[in-house]
Amino acid sequence: GAVVSQHPSWVICKSGTSVKIECRSLDFQATTMFWYRQFPKQSLMLMATSNEGSKATYEQGVEKDKFLINHASLTLSTLTVTSAHPEDSSFYICSARDGLAVRGTQYFGPGTRLTVL
Amino acid sequence: GENVEQHPSTLSVQEGDSAVIKCTYSDSASNYFPWYKQELGKGPQLIIDIRSNVGEKKDQRIAVTLNKTAKHFSLHITETQPEDSAVYFCAASPEAGTALIFGKGTTLSVSS
Repeated sequence: GAVVSQHPSWVICKSGTSVKIECRSLDFQATTMFWYRQFPKQSLMLMATSNEGSKATYEQGVEKDKFLINHASLTLSTLTVTSAHPEDSSFYICSARDGLAVRGTQYFGPGTRLTVL
Repeated sequence: GENVEQHPSTLSVQEGDSAVIKCTYSDSASNYFPWYKQELGKGPQLIIDIRSNVGEKKDQRIAVTLNKTAKHFSLHITETQPEDSAVYFCAASPEAGTALIFGKGTTLSVSS
């Protein structure tokens, strides 16, 4: 079955530093990838949608200059949290759409736990 | 925009019993309704989905029903087992592969 990986699985950083999270589709071409954020015991909130080769579309209230998304290839999207602060601590989850599948099913990665000290 | 309500927030059942989780949505343009199971510290796993041209879909112990007129859909798990314990999320979107709007989740606990 289709597999989406994320790296790293967890990261701890100091306030003010930037953190990059990678999302890869391992055995399919992901024309579209989505980034979600999940706070403890809460639901997944869509942050942005990225299409390969174009700029990401951000949801209302998500700062595009703080959460930089790059989708440079059909198998890789990155989310960079710039100048991270403790309130950015969360579980970040990506998902990828199989661009060649008729059903266009969306597959989720295992998530990245970010802790900002 | 779309809004998805999910109930109950917690559900405790005995092993072997059935569990039902219900969701309602607001946007009549939504046509794709997946259900995800999330275990602690992991990403969501798709367990079943349904499209608006179908009223019911079943996969072994899991079934989903959709009432598009009333804008609600439900997840049914029969013969529950302890390994079914997890957080379950419903979601809605205009079509498969587009951005999902999630419900707030249901924590299911199955005791043996």
